[in-house]
Amino acid sequence: GENVEQHPSTLSVQEGDSAVIKCTYSDSASNYFPWYKQELGKRPQLIIDIRSNVGEKKDQRIAVTLNKTAKHFSLHITETQPEDSAVYFCAASKGGSYIPTFGRGTSLIVHP
Amino acid sequence: NAGVTQTPKFQVLKTGQSMTLQCAQDMNHEYMSWYRQDPGMGLRLIHYSVGAGITDQGEVPNGYNVSRSTTEDFPLRLLSAAPSQTSVYFCASNPTSTDTQYFGPGTRLTVL
Repeated sequence: GENVEQHPSTLSVQEGDSAVIKCTYSDSASNYFPWYKQELGKRPQLIIDIRSNVGEKKDQRIAVTLNKTAKHFSLHITETQPEDSAVYFCAASKGGSYIPTFGRGTSLIVHP
Repeated sequence: NAGVTQTPKFQVLKTGQSMTLQCAQDMNHEYMSWYRQDPGMGLRLIHYSVGAGITDQGEVPNGYNVSRSTTEDFPLRLLSAAPSQTSVYFCASNPTSTDTQYFGPGTRLTVL
């Protein structure tokens, strides 16, 4: 089955800095790569996703890049703010009836 | 439209007791899943369903049963609770038209 590795497990940055979280996947058939944000005590919620026919996608301060050859994808957050502090999960899926496999999560801490 | 709901929010059990975690969604989503979240382990899939009457095992199914008699409901049963089942449990649903998982608010379970 699919295996998703996520690094780092913890990331501490100063407000205004950029943050990058990286994930690798094992199944070359995976074609959908979502990112979820989970605030403390809350449920995970989708913040951005990318499909395998696209190399990069942006939404305001967040962006995701995908390298299919290397089987890795990354989340980039620019101009970080304290409200970006949360646990971020990457996931990979073959789409259709396949349930995504999640990484172990990255705890992002943004210091004011 | 309540989305995905879960009950109870908190539960304390003694070893050997049984209970059912309830999950319901009102979005007419075909797919539903159960995850457990443990520190440093991410979201691990327990069981999932691709439609009423159809269920399958995920990564960590032992000690849990599920059934799906209706599109709306997907209960998770613990037959004989063990301390290793202490965790936060999330139910999720997604339609066949997208791969986005919609999570419930979670149930925090402690087994003594």
